[in-house]
Amino acid sequence: QQQVKQSPQSLIVQKGGISIINCAYENTAFDYFPWYQQFPGKGPALLIAIRPDVSEKKEGRFTISFNKSAKQFSLHIMDSQPGDSATYFCAATYSGTYKYIFGTGTRLKVLA
Amino acid sequence: DTAVSQTPKYLVTQMGNDKSIKCEQNLGHDTMYWYKQDSKKFLKIMFSYNNKELIINETVPNRFSPKSPDKAHLNLHINSLELGDSAVYFCASSQGDGRDTEAFFGQGTRLTVV
Repeated sequence: QQQVKQSPQSLIVQKGGISIINCAYENTAFDYFPWYQQFPGKGPALLIAIRPDVSEKKEGRFTISFNKSAKQFSLHIMDSQPGDSATYFCAATYSGTYKYIFGTGTRLKVLA
Repeated sequence: DTAVSQTPKYLVTQMGNDKSIKCEQNLGHDTMYWYKQDSKKFLKIMFSYNNKELIINETVPNRFSPKSPDKAHLNLHINSLELGDSAVYFCASSQGDGRDTEAFFGQGTRLTVV
């Protein structure tokens, strides 16, 4: 119940294309869902986050879509750029847990 | 002016040795964490501290002993290192329990046990 399932494991997209990464969870207590971006040799950094009271959140080229009834959420990267090539992690948490449950990560490669 | 800094960045040591990783944050956060990232990039919580108090110990072997001398520091000491301890260890911090706030990660310590 504490798992967050993430797919795909790896993704190759052409420059200018749309990258889509999906996550699913079981624990309905989760109420905060951040996405983290990690470049090689660096720590993860927050990209965008959403709470389940909204169905979509957009920041620049990055959009989270959230489906509360399906317990799924996804990250869309529009106009993908080579500089977006990184590993992306979805995560989930809820008040009082003092931890993020991370998905297994998606390695994104954007071809120039 | 690094927000969360860990030292060392690389650590190569022999099985059976004892080693420490240090972490400091200058963000004024009250919560600090240790995460372990394995060779498959999976990120798993090890410990959480809030205001120097241990909140989470996620079934980590007792060879791992965290210490938080103050809110800005969380160190990790590992006794009797084993091959399976090889991984990247990340320190992170947040304000509160991490919900609705950003957790900031250090750049990681790559531990290799030979």
